[in-house]
Amino acid sequence: ELVLTQSPATLSLSPGERATLSCRASQGVSNYLAWYQQKPGQAPRLLIYDASNRATGIPARFSGSGSGTDFTLTISSLEPEDFAIYYCQQRSNYRFGQGTKLEIK
Amino acid sequence: EVQLVESGGGLVKPGGSLRLSCAASGFTFNSYSMSWVRQAPGKGLEWVSSISLLSNYIYYADSVKGRFTISRDNAKNSLYLQMNSLRAEDTAVYYCARDPRGYDFDYWGQGTLVTVSS
Repeated sequence: ELVLTQSPATLSLSPGERATLSCRASQGVSNYLAWYQQKPGQAPRLLIYDASNRATGIPARFSGSGSGTDFTLTISSLEPEDFAIYYCQQRSNYRFGQGTKLEIK
Repeated sequence: EVQLVESGGGLVKPGGSLRLSCAASGFTFNSYSMSWVRQAPGKGLEWVSSISLLSNYIYYADSVKGRFTISRDNAKNSLYLQMNSLRAEDTAVYYCARDPRGYDFDYWGQGTLVTVSS
């Protein structure tokens, strides 16, 4: 079965820094990969779909790249509100990765 | 404005049943597939089930297959999840979500908590 592995598990950065989050699929998923942001006590929010398309209302500092098995979510310059947990998700069996916690350093 | 509002969660004993509902508004409900996603306390996201526009395609996670049934009523703009033979490991916040492209979820409800405990 297809598994998504996110790394790192925790990323400690400061506001203004660049964040790079990775998601690796155990089998190719073409470009059918989405990224979500979740803050405590809130529902997830769709950031990126089809690997590189920003969802409605998502700031330009969020970008996605990759295809096949290796994908990256980049936040170009961290804002205080960006510290949250990020999940990737793919189409083959709808499964999510285990998440990356982005915390303030 | 797209809104998804879940209801029906609560405390249930192991082996019991519960039916979740999701009321949709602000979009053409019968034009979208819909899904349920859950999150156990302190854990990550787990996709549960999805249903196509006309209910002709239905999918379940292995963990709930045979116990949960997803359905929709397009006339009522509503999505449902019938949960039977509930187990402690089904304890989670259950979210309904709109599925615009066959896998990702662009709008989510606020979630409803299901607790399975004796």
